[in-house]
Amino acid sequence: QSALTQPASVSGSPGQSITISCTGTSSDVGGYNYVSWYQQHPGKAPKLMIYDVSNRPSGVSNRFSGSKSGNTASLTISGLQAEDEADYYCSSYTSSSSWVFGGGTKLTVL
Amino acid sequence: QVQLQESGPGLVKPSETLSLTCTVSGGSISSYYWSWIRQPPGKGLEWIGYIYYSGSTNYNPSLKSRVTISVDTSKNQFSLKLSSVTAADTAVYYCAREGYYGSAKDVWGKGTTVTVSS
Repeated sequence: QSALTQPASVSGSPGQSITISCTGTSSDVGGYNYVSWYQQHPGKAPKLMIYDVSNRPSGVSNRFSGSKSGNTASLTISGLQAEDEADYYCSSYTSSSSWVFGGGTKLTVL
Repeated sequence: QVQLQESGPGLVKPSETLSLTCTVSGGSISSYYWSWIRQPPGKGLEWIGYIYYSGSTNYNPSLKSRVTISVDTSKNQFSLKLSSVTAADTAVYYCAREGYYGSAKDVWGKGTTVTVSS
């Protein structure tokens, strides 16, 4: 199974909004509403930010939102803050009953 | 609240078997799915596989021939064995819980670094 495709990096200024894309196929992202997003700060374990395409776990800021169109899922962060600077990974269920991650996107807050 | 802790050797020789254990505290292992994920130095996340508390498993097709995940409900632990390791298996290994929030992995261990070297 191939990794989902994410941009290597994105950047934005404090207060702005950014969107990170996650492109797969009809066998993963496009076929199931089981896309999740994780935030990872350096040296730390990943943290769940969005599950099942667009749902936020308890305690995650409503500045984080998720969506999906066809084979591409997206994570949008509004009102960028310095603490949002991290790596972000998408993940999807696949037709092989397995999970696949994206390659990761480094978010820089300018 | 549920916490996960990985444990096992930090150094494994090439061709040998990597063995790690994840201990679940603050809750019972007897529900949800329990996963292993790894992250090579400077690279992205790779799903290794999961086990349901009942013992059913599913593995990454690219690792399937070398991976075994097992569960010990009496100890509230689940384990990973990866055979015939090479330097490419050097990574931080994480255990995680999935199934509380839909299909996602909501609780993660801090990770343990495993280096494959002679």
